[in-house]
Amino acid sequence: DSGVTQTPKHLITATGQRVTLRCSPRSGDLSVYWYQQSLDQGLQFLIQYYNGEERAKGNILERFSAQQFPDLHSELNLSSLELGDSALYFCASSVDSKGRWGANVLTFGAGSRLTVL
Amino acid sequence: AQKITQTQPGMFVQEKEAVTLDCTYDTSDPSYGLFWYKQPSSGEMIFLIYQGSYDQQNATEGRYSLNFQKARKSANLVISASQLGDSAMYFCAMREGYTGGFKTIFGAGTRLFVKA
Repeated sequence: DSGVTQTPKHLITATGQRVTLRCSPRSGDLSVYWYQQSLDQGLQFLIQYYNGEERAKGNILERFSAQQFPDLHSELNLSSLELGDSALYFCASSVDSKGRWGANVLTFGAGSRLTVL
Repeated sequence: AQKITQTQPGMFVQEKEAVTLDCTYDTSDPSYGLFWYKQPSSGEMIFLIYQGSYDQQNATEGRYSLNFQKARKSANLVISASQLGDSAMYFCAMREGYTGGFKTIFGAGTRLFVKA
């Protein structure tokens, strides 16, 4: 158990629907990252939050949004789903510190596998 | 802009032999961190090793070592004495210290197959 909890593990839904993926970071970590991994692909960075505030944004679609709550858990909302959104969505957390690279190691959750039919 | 390149889609290695997985990067930031992660077929992402751009010595963690050549902008992962359980996807990643925001970006990965 990495200490990062993601729910749900699996989700099957239809095109046009909306889903919410949830992530609880490892205890003590203030940063939460979201990544998308399509089949046999690398990890695409979506967005990062630090202590409740958005800190960095990648190629996140406008149909996707995220937030980090005061208790540091985060949610990724995916709306108007398309077939191409089917992927493994990872949440990762870190302590996050400038200059101390060990503190920027990402601890990953097990992922949420989304299938859009 | 930061960029990570892994040019080996797949690699084969004989059990008990050493293998090097290549990673090159591009950044104009003088301060950056380089990381390697392993993704077994079960899907989880496992951290292996990291190297800071100002670290004088190459990082080592057990059977993993990072061959850091700053001038060539390469950060190759060396796995010694390969084991069957090393068969997995391996990702190189980078985070810049000042520019590029706070994101960690990943390369496309190298799939390693260890033969008995």
